Parts: sequence; C-alpha cells; structure tokens
Amino acid sequence: AQKVTQAQTEISVVEKEDVTLDCVYETRDTTYYLFWYKQPPSGELVFLIRRNSFDEQNEISGRYSWNFQKSTSSFNFTITASQVVDSAVYFCALSDPNTGGFKTIFGAGTRLFVKA
Amino acid sequence: EPEVTQTPSHQVTQMGQEVILRCVPISNHLYFYWYRQILGQKVEFLVSFYNNEISEKSEIFDDQFSVERPDGSNFTLKIRSTKLEDSAMYFCASSEWGGDLEAFFGQGTRLTVV
Repeated sequence: AQKVTQAQTEISVVEKEDVTLDCVYETRDTTYYLFWYKQPPSGELVFLIRRNSFDEQNEISGRYSWNFQKSTSSFNFTITASQVVDSAVYFCALSDPNTGGFKTIFGAGTRLFVKA
Repeated sequence: EPEVTQTPSHQVTQMGQEVILRCVPISNHLYFYWYRQILGQKVEFLVSFYNNEISEKSEIFDDQFSVERPDGSNFTLKIRSTKLEDSAMYFCASSEWGGDLEAFFGQGTRLTVV
C-alpha cells in the first residue's frame, strides 16, 4: 500500500535559519510522482514541486531545495534562510498511477513556525 | 494560468441538511477529485471521477456522499444529511489524462456543520 510519512509534526526555527522537512514514502510501483504543498493559515494548498520517480536530480528554486533519494525512499525539502512568511503547514504527497484514478496520498504534514 | 475554482469559500449548514459543494475544474482536464481535510489533520482522498463515473472512492465516501458532473464545466459534491463530523475543508482537484499525474487543487470550501 502507498504511504507517506512526515515524522516531524512541528518545527520551530528563528528567522534566517535553514530548516529541512523530512518525507519518507512507500510504494510498490516503479512509476510515481512526489509532491510538496504549502498550506498557509488561509487554508489553500499551494503547489511547490512535482518530481517523477525517474528523475532523481535535486532541484533548487530560490530558497527552496529538494533532495530525492530513491535508495532511502525519501524526498526531503530544505528552506534556506527561512523567513516569517514561510510559516505554514507543509505536506509531502505521492501520486501513483496504479491506484486507479491517480489519487494523491498525503502525509500528515509538518507545521513550520518561523520566529522573527 | 488556468485554475480550479470552488464555491462557496465557506458554508455553514445545520446538522441534517443537504449541502452541495461546487467546483469548476480546469477546462481540458478529464479526471476530477474531491479531498477532505478535517481541521488540523491531513488531506484525505474521498473520490475520483472519470468519464462520468466514479473510478475510485475511499472508505469515507459512504452513501451520504455523491458526486456529479451536471454539465460540461461543473463538478459537485453532495452530502445528503450533514453530520457534525463532516465539518472540514473540502478540496476539489482536476488532472489531465495522458500521464500527467499532477492534480491541480482548488482553494477549498470550508464546511461548518452546526
């Protein structure tokens, strides 16, 4: 069965610190997609990144970077020089074509507090 | 940029009442989804819909729930007789056929059952 685990429930950092959010996934399939979403206090889901299972290149987008390691089934997310506006809940998610209908399985989320 | 839109953004209803949540998916998308997020919890899959029928549903999606695509643009979720525990944020999503597994999410409808 597919599963996404975000072991960190809450993380609190001081502004300008770097922070890494962990994500470990389980799937039996070789083709799948991984995602990160940000959910600010207003409640909407903001798409951050998609990575397919055949592309293990790490990605950097501004202060955000992602480390995908198939060997450990992990897809970790790092925010460099965190800012107060980064405070939100972050969800890691897995989409698997073999589940039928391409549904997305979400992790429990990590709540990030960035203090000024 | 095309987006999924949901209405209303917030709905308050009395227990036992029927409620319909509305979504307009992205126009060329063929797969449609509803997800639910109880306050403080994770986002949970409810149902996926393709070619005018349900392709998969979760255990949460019981007989109280139904989905419909009444015309070429709308996708609705109906809860027949709301319970207090149906209070949650409901997200609609859509995705394009052809291997694109990225679902685009709407901004959500916050349902409060009183």
